Amino acid sequence: QKEVEQNSGPLSVPEGAIASLNCTYSDRGSQSFFWYRQYSGKSPELIMSIYSNGDKEDGRFTAQLNKASQYVSLLIRDSQPSDSATYLCAVSMEYGNKLVFGAGTILRVKS
Amino acid sequence: GAGVSQSPSNKVTEKGKDVELRCDPISGHTALYWYRQSLGQGLEFLIYFQGNSAPDKSGLPSDRFSAERTGGSVSTLTIQRTQQEDSAVYLCASSFDRATYGYTFGSGTRLTVV
Repeated sequence: QKEVEQNSGPLSVPEGAIASLNCTYSDRGSQSFFWYRQYSGKSPELIMSIYSNGDKEDGRFTAQLNKASQYVSLLIRDSQPSDSATYLCAVSMEYGNKLVFGAGTILRVKS
Repeated sequence: GAGVSQSPSNKVTEKGKDVELRCDPISGHTALYWYRQSLGQGLEFLIYFQGNSAPDKSGLPSDRFSAERTGGSVSTLTIQRTQQEDSAVYLCASSFDRATYGYTFGSGTRLTVV
C-alpha cells in the first residue's frame, strides 16, 4: 500500500465547474497536509495547507480533511483553464520531518 | 535570498561522469530537502538536512549519491559515475520548521545523462 494515494486522472472539467481532487494516506499519526500545484515543466507550488478536521477555504480553493477516514480533498470552484495542472497531495510523516507526496492528479479545465 | 535557488538549471553529462548540483535555500530556513522527479513520475525523497546534519538519508538510491550542507545554508548533491537512469529533475526545497508548514521548492535542475 502506498503511503499517499491519488487518482492519476486526468480529471476533465468544464470551465466554471467545481473540480474535486482526492487523496488518502496511510499514517494515522500524520498531522500536516498540503496541496501543491505543478504546471508542466515547473516545480511544485504550495497552494493549501490544512491541519485539523473540517474545511479550510482560501479564495476559490477549499481543502477538506477527515483524519478518521484518512482522507484529504481539494475543491476548486469556478475552475479556469489556468487551473490545468498536476495537483500533488503531500502529508507530513516520520515525526513531521518530511513530506511524502502522492503521484498527483492531472486536472484539465476545458473552455 | 527571496527563494530557493538551484544551479545549474540544466545539465547534460556523459555516462560515467560525476556531477554536482547546488541548492541555496531561503535565508533562515534550517531544513533542506532533495527530491527527484523522473519524467511523468511523482516526487521521490532523497535526503533531509537539519542544519548541517542529515538525519534522514533513506532515499539516496545508491552509494553513488551523496550530499552535504555547509554553514547551515548551501547544499550540494553529488552523483558519481552517472548512469542513464539518473536522468531526472532534481528538486531542492527548504522550510523554517521541518515539514510542519510545508516546503518551498526551487526551480530544479534537469539532469540528462547521455
